[in-house]
Amino acid sequence: QQQVKQSPQSLIVQKGGISIINCAYENTAFDYFPWYQQFPGKGPALLIAIRPDVSEKKEGRFTISFNKSAKQFSLHIMDSQPGDSATYFCAARRSNAGKSTFGDGTTLTVKP
Amino acid sequence: KAGVTQTPRYLIKTRGQQVTLSCSPISGHRSVSWYQQTPGQGLQFLFEYFSETQRNKGNFPGRFSGRQFSNSRSEMNVSTLELGDSALYLCASSLAGGTVETQYFGPGTRLLVL
Repeated sequence: QQQVKQSPQSLIVQKGGISIINCAYENTAFDYFPWYQQFPGKGPALLIAIRPDVSEKKEGRFTISFNKSAKQFSLHIMDSQPGDSATYFCAARRSNAGKSTFGDGTTLTVKP
Repeated sequence: KAGVTQTPRYLIKTRGQQVTLSCSPISGHRSVSWYQQTPGQGLQFLFEYFSETQRNKGNFPGRFSGRQFSNSRSEMNVSTLELGDSALYLCASSLAGGTVETQYFGPGTRLLVL
């Protein structure tokens, strides 16, 4: 049972555009939602994260929007740059579960 | 501060063999989690160790096992390798495995089973 569904699978955006990646979860026990960025040959790196008691969190060009009632959250990358080209994973964690449940990933390509 | 290191980085094995992968967490981190990453299944949780004890386990067969040493270094072992075990194996460390703690991932060990 896939507990975190991520879309789209791939995304092509022009430089300066907005990249939007969406995730939906099923388990209401999740209470922490991180986003990871992964470059080829590297492990995932934490980009930004949010708790469900907050509807939006912004860090630089990256914003998470969270809709608790719809059980959905999304990553917005403003002013997308070619250096943002990577695979992005959303994830969800439960308190004391010791693990993250990941979405399937979105490959983002930002064209110059 | 050194990041999470994993050895070896690449490994080629044949079916039926066994393999041991190693992970050294960031200094001071006591929680180590292991994940399997494949194109078809994405990132799947294997297990988590804290203070030398397995604290959480994912849905993998018993061929996958692990352990953690007193210095927090961790190893995972896969016995009787199958073609489907070909994957990137990632470990991640955090201070104590708390929910909102940042997990720091290593570069992974890419395992190819022939």
